[in-house]
Amino acid sequence: DAEITQSPRHKITETGRQVTLACHQTWNHNNMFWYRQDLGHGLRLIHYSYGVQDTNKGEVSDGYSVSRSNTEDLPLTLESAASSQTSVYFCASSENPQGDTQYFGPGTRLTVL
Amino acid sequence: AQKVTQAQTEISVVEKEDVTLDCVYETRDTTYYLFWYKQPPSGELVFLIRRNSFDEQNEISGRYSWNFQKSTSSFNFTITASQVVDSAVYFCALSEVNFGNEKLTFGTGTRLTIIP
Repeated sequence: DAEITQSPRHKITETGRQVTLACHQTWNHNNMFWYRQDLGHGLRLIHYSYGVQDTNKGEVSDGYSVSRSNTEDLPLTLESAASSQTSVYFCASSENPQGDTQYFGPGTRLTVL
Repeated sequence: AQKVTQAQTEISVVEKEDVTLDCVYETRDTTYYLFWYKQPPSGELVFLIRRNSFDEQNEISGRYSWNFQKSTSSFNFTITASQVVDSAVYFCALSEVNFGNEKLTFGTGTRLTIIP
């Protein structure tokens, strides 16, 4: 069955370190998204991609970057982790543009000490 | 800019009671999509429903029903005869349909606790 996976599921790191969170989907979806979930904020969009070599900033993109070299993967990199980036991160994908349903991965809980 | 408001932060009901979760949205687009997702204690996000702005028919799926009213910009979710397994955080979300704006705006969620 097609699915979307994230790794690691839990990560503890130190302030200033570079961290990369992986997202892999086997749906063959063009659109992929990264969100962070924080209490009181719901989910907020970090970055998104409509296809290979395409990346776009979301509403909370500062301190994060993504790259899309193939259809299946959209890794999220924290260039220099900060305590404010402690959060749960969700990756999602959708098949079509124009309001299609997004399907979410299981999430990665990141703690920055 | 689009916005989704879920004014109910937490709701607790006794098992078998009916419960309605409110969702109010703001958008300037005439074409948009509304969603509900469930996040159980295990943490994953489970898709429940997608509704486009041209379809105001209410929808029922088992014990779940959704009431979409464009006149009040609301998309409310009702669980009938609630069960303990319904305990979760529920998110309402909005997607506008402008090319280059294919993203979901989420509400802050409503935590529903079903008391056995």
